Amino acid sequence: QTVVTQEPSLTVSPGGTVTLTCACSSGAVTSGYYANWFQQKPGQVPWALIYETTKKHSWTPARFSGSLLGGKAALTLSYVQPDDEADYYCQLFFGGVWVFGGGTKLTVL
Amino acid sequence: EVQLVESGGGLVQPGGSLRLSCAASGVIFRTFWTHWVRQAPGQGLVWLSHIKDDGSDIRYADSVKGRFTVSRDNAKNTVYLQMNSLRAEDSAVYYCATDLTSWGQGTLVSVSS
Repeated sequence: QTVVTQEPSLTVSPGGTVTLTCACSSGAVTSGYYANWFQQKPGQVPWALIYETTKKHSWTPARFSGSLLGGKAALTLSYVQPDDEADYYCQLFFGGVWVFGGGTKLTVL
Repeated sequence: EVQLVESGGGLVQPGGSLRLSCAASGVIFRTFWTHWVRQAPGQGLVWLSHIKDDGSDIRYADSVKGRFTVSRDNAKNTVYLQMNSLRAEDSAVYYCATDLTSWGQGTLVSVSS
């Protein structure tokens, strides 16, 4: 099965900008992989942020944006706040099945 | 607002079976794809399966194909995950989610002798 890879951890300063990426072992990520992004804080249920690569849910803060970048799906957080500290998971669609990445632990420091 | 409640988790011996339920309220359940996702303690999310709104399309991750079976009863607003031949590595919190947008709180499955 295809492997989806994310940065294991990233650190960003409050007010800064950070980009998390999501790669797949089968090659470049395209819009056809319908990338989803989720945020999960300790002890909480995952929270959907982005769907179909770039689309935001009605509850997604404007500071979060999804894109394709250098053959990967990307999640960019702007004006990072301490409350953004969490695990972030991408998910890609491969021929009928979904695969999660291993997650990125984002530290705001 | 969609509310999902998983149930049926518990302690089971290796090789045993469990059936999880995902009951929905506050939504026309039959219009949603429903997914099962699990998360072992301290580990990441793993997608397991999804079932189309009318049950006509069901897919599984390779790790559970042949052992897990998903079904739904739209009249009862419930989706089921039948888990057979359970292994220690199946121990996790199991979540259901509609359209990968609304998630339940999860139910814990522990496989141990």
